Amino acid sequence: GENVEQHPSTLSVQEGDSAVIKCTYSDSASNYFPWYKQELGKGPQLIIDIRSNVGEKKDQRIAVTLNKTAKHFSLHITETQPEDSAVYFCAAPREFSGGYNKLIFGAGTRLAVHP
Amino acid sequence: DVKVTQSSRYLVKRTGEKVFLECVQDMDHENMFWYRQDPGLGLRLIYFSYDVKMKEKGDIPEGYSVSREKKERFSLILESASTNQTSMYLCASTQTAATEAFFGQGTRLTVV
Repeated sequence: GENVEQHPSTLSVQEGDSAVIKCTYSDSASNYFPWYKQELGKGPQLIIDIRSNVGEKKDQRIAVTLNKTAKHFSLHITETQPEDSAVYFCAAPREFSGGYNKLIFGAGTRLAVHP
Repeated sequence: DVKVTQSSRYLVKRTGEKVFLECVQDMDHENMFWYRQDPGLGLRLIYFSYDVKMKEKGDIPEGYSVSREKKERFSLILESASTNQTSMYLCASTQTAATEAFFGQGTRLTVV
């Protein structure tokens, strides 16, 4: 089954610096890779996702890159701001019997952006 | 505004009690999930359902059961709560596994 490993577990940056979080997955059939942001006291929310037919996707200050050969994908946040402080989760689908897929999450990265 | 609503933000229960956590979504999604969130362990899947009355075990189903009698509602049941079930519980729904998952705000359960 799919395993998703996420690094680092904590990340501390100065405001304005870039932050990079990496995930690796095991199932070469996986084709959808979302990133979620969880702010304090809230449930995770999707911030960006990428499908296996593209190598990179950008949305303002955030971007996701995918390397299917190496089976890893990364979240890049540029010009970090204090409001980027949160826990970030990567995910990948895992197929189980019956052909259905379920989302498996990484362990999370706690990002702290210091003014 | 799409919504996944969990019935309680905070719950305190005694060891051995039967506990019901309720989740309702208003997006007509097929799939619903229950995750448990613990520090350093991320989101671990307890159970999920891909249709009414259908359920599948996730990675950590022991000590839990679920019920999905209506499409919009997915309940997590702790048959006999234990202290090691103290955790944050998150409900989510998606149309498919390759589309956005919408999460509830979470229920922080403490078993004493």
